[in-house]
Amino acid sequence: GAGVSQSPSNKVTEKGKDVELRCDPISGHTALYWYRQSLGQGLEFLIYFQGNSAPDKSGLPSDRFSAERTGGSVSTLTIQRTQQEDSAVYLCASSLASVAGGFYEQYFGPGTRLTVT
Amino acid sequence: KQEVTQIPAALSVPEGENLVLNCSFTDSAIYNLQWFRQDPGKGLTSLLLIQSSQREQTSGRLNASLDKSSGRSTLYIAASQPGDSATYLCAVGDGQNFVFGPGTRLSVLP
Repeated sequence: GAGVSQSPSNKVTEKGKDVELRCDPISGHTALYWYRQSLGQGLEFLIYFQGNSAPDKSGLPSDRFSAERTGGSVSTLTIQRTQQEDSAVYLCASSLASVAGGFYEQYFGPGTRLTVT
Repeated sequence: KQEVTQIPAALSVPEGENLVLNCSFTDSAIYNLQWFRQDPGKGLTSLLLIQSSQREQTSGRLNASLDKSSGRSTLYIAASQPGDSATYLCAVGDGQNFVFGPGTRLSVLP
């Protein structure tokens, strides 16, 4: 079946503009995760959704970042008033999730490369 | 706060060698540990997932072990091939969050 897809694959934007990144998880995966990978850095966890709710938003770097998920499927990550330090690859992953806690294998999308000029 | 480290940061070996990549974590209260590979400019590909109750998982030439009490996991690659060249990442799951290590960059020379 289809894997995790993300759009756009590349986005160049001017400082101060808002951007929206989209993630389509694998069908049936209830857990969805957003990560950021800056040049030469490791993966930074941003937020995760179980269904439509996000139990923990503390990983978001600032209040300019927000994410939502509707219908338990597609998620959008929005960055308002982008700054140059927001330039990174934004990765999305999905997995089945145990109701009791814990997660199954994560499957990653190809990422969106965001460049803020 | 969970911290994950990986040693070595980079490794270069001739084709055919067996090798071990190391992952260490500071908090042993984990749900699972997952190994990934990342090719340049690409997303992550899952290799192996070990649940906290398991001690090892095998897939083809790959074997991953987990020792929760000592906060360690190893990824063993047998008979390495040039196609194994990539960055290998381990990620520790605590039930709500995954913390990634910085990765080991592997080069297998033909």
